[in-house]
Amino acid sequence: AQSVTQLDSQVPVFEEAPVELRCNYSSSVSVYLFWYVQYPNQGLQLLLKYLSGSTLVESINGFEAEFNKSQTSFHLRKPSVHISDTAEYFCAVSLISNFGNEKLTFGTGTRLTIIP
Amino acid sequence: GAVVSQHPSWVICKSGTSVKIECRSLDFQATTMFWYRQFPKQSLMLMATSNEGSKATYEQGVEKDKFLINHASLTLSTLTVTSAHPEDSSFYICSAFGQRGYTFGSGTRLTVV
Repeated sequence: AQSVTQLDSQVPVFEEAPVELRCNYSSSVSVYLFWYVQYPNQGLQLLLKYLSGSTLVESINGFEAEFNKSQTSFHLRKPSVHISDTAEYFCAVSLISNFGNEKLTFGTGTRLTIIP
Repeated sequence: GAVVSQHPSWVICKSGTSVKIECRSLDFQATTMFWYRQFPKQSLMLMATSNEGSKATYEQGVEKDKFLINHASLTLSTLTVTSAHPEDSSFYICSAFGQRGYTFGSGTRLTVV
């Protein structure tokens, strides 16, 4: 079975400062990796994902994450945060399959709060 | 593209009644639907997985007779909470899997009084 650990439940950061949200996973087989963002009382929106290829993946709004196989990590970073980045962030993994429709296993989430 | 509509967004019901939540993929065919439950300030817990035309596969500890899932077409799945009780109050989120991967609904906040 797979598991995802997000050690930081809450991360307060001043506006325009850099941030890193940590994610570690455990799996005996290769997995796909995802970061999702959730705004209050809403569903999840995909931020970025790692399926294969370059270990550094980027989103359109300035976030990036790097897959580190040796450390089984997929930390999320942003060099300069904005007030609008305040949200809950979830790291998730799924098994790799031919159909790609494996279930997602989520971490417990990290609440990012941007301080003006 | 890849939009999932989930309704209702919130519902309040009396204890003992049943509530149906709909999840529709508007612009793609969802071969697989996932239903999650999220408690306040916690992560998403998978309740069940359903493939179109097949019976849902429930996660351990989820009562299939209480949480009825129907996936009759490639664009619609429903979750019915039967004989709801206050402990069923939660945020329920569906996720549809299609050609563009996973797309989540906006969630349904269920409050049982």
